Amino acid sequence: EVQLVESGGVVVQPGGSLRLSCAASGFTFDDYAMHWVRQAPGKGLEWVSLISWDGGSTYYADSVKGRFTISRDNSKNSLYLQMNSLRAEDTALYYCAKDKRVATITYYFDYWGQGTLVTVSS
Amino acid sequence: DIQMTQSPSSLSASVGDRVTITCRASQSISSYLNWYQQKPGKAPKLLIYAASSLQSGVPSRFSGSGSGTDFTLTISSLQPEDFATYYCQQSYSTRRGTFGQGTKLEIK
Repeated sequence: EVQLVESGGVVVQPGGSLRLSCAASGFTFDDYAMHWVRQAPGKGLEWVSLISWDGGSTYYADSVKGRFTISRDNSKNSLYLQMNSLRAEDTALYYCAKDKRVATITYYFDYWGQGTLVTVSS
Repeated sequence: DIQMTQSPSSLSASVGDRVTITCRASQSISSYLNWYQQKPGKAPKLLIYAASSLQSGVPSRFSGSGSGTDFTLTISSLQPEDFATYYCQQSYSTRRGTFGQGTKLEIK
């Protein structure tokens, strides 16, 4: 059974930093691209970042480019999101999501975690 | 950047109704359009990918169609468990995965 479990969400002050983690199981992690998607309270979904199966390619939404860094450790079946220079508008539930196809970036998110809540507030 | 616009933003319907939700892209995205269902307090669920392919395990009452800029999600006969928010998402741009603003489907 595919499982994605996010962690690391806390309350942080504006300008602060945070690292989110996503532990994956139930599939061959290093075969799939992975994504972060966020959802502000009561709002819609926003794609945040993507990393290829081998970590060689990364992409970011304009809203987080230069502040967030996505990474993965395939030996630990883990995905990460380093978040710096946090702003109030980064407050959201952050989901990790698995891409559907092996060794291909499709943006079809076939499995999602339960999310971890990041609150940026003084 | 490609913008995705869904209509309507909200919709009231009854069990057994046929429902259609529309998604329009700001430029042609071929068939690179996906649909997700999200229930309150839950993660989104992939329903349709590549405009018309049904994700494994999704009931056949869900269907998708369209290409270019205009797409539809159709639920042929609404069931109680289908009341949720639906999002379209473009996957044409390999550097972005833009979502629509969502359509909330409520019980009439």
